[in-house]
Amino acid sequence: DTGVSQDPRHKITKRGQNVTFRCDPISEHNRLYWYRQTLGQGPEFLTYFQNEAQLEKSRLLSDRFSAERPKGSFSTLEIQRTEQGDSAMYLCASSFRESTNEKLFFGSGTQLSVL
Amino acid sequence: AQSVAQPEDQVNVAEGNPLTVKCTYSVSGNPYLFWYVQYPNRGLQFLLKYITGDNLVKGSYGFEAEFNKSQTSFHLKKPSALVSDSALYFCAVRASGNTGKLIFGQGTTLQVKP
Repeated sequence: DTGVSQDPRHKITKRGQNVTFRCDPISEHNRLYWYRQTLGQGPEFLTYFQNEAQLEKSRLLSDRFSAERPKGSFSTLEIQRTEQGDSAMYLCASSFRESTNEKLFFGSGTQLSVL
Repeated sequence: AQSVAQPEDQVNVAEGNPLTVKCTYSVSGNPYLFWYVQYPNRGLQFLLKYITGDNLVKGSYGFEAEFNKSQTSFHLKKPSALVSDSALYFCAVRASGNTGKLIFGQGTTLQVKP
């Protein structure tokens, strides 16, 4: 049983550069979520997909952020023109949509450091 | 809007003693409540959830949580703490609407000392 996989584990970039992260969910899961976590805080919701459709985006997600899930399987999160405030752990989670029993399975995250 | 609060940044307990990590919630409608644990350099791991039914929910690694509607609380408990339970614990509530989206508390660090 493979869990949620995220790549890379760590990313160091200079301010102004673009970065892209990848998430591979559990294969039978049709929902995929992106969260951001900073030190000492709980994860903050960014966006989520059901299959290939992006159903919700947080106001936290500025125009510099874009996410895709082109075939309803893996997803990418791109940050353009990175800023130091983007430094955080980016977490991906997946789930199988059910009425009440749905629970999220998280990947280990991508730690982004913007210098 | 749905929200949870974890009033303690850190909880310290001696190994073998019972532990409680507190969580209070605010929801409209039925509460769907969760506890997750995060070990260093690891993703969040599901511990347990409350949907409906018994107020005492049993989960992974010997943890349980008590749902209290009148006090709007969902405290995490374990009868006998282990040093390996030391980690960061998050309470979460499902957002309203047809979504699995979770809204997390700020987290509580549990330190279990030998």
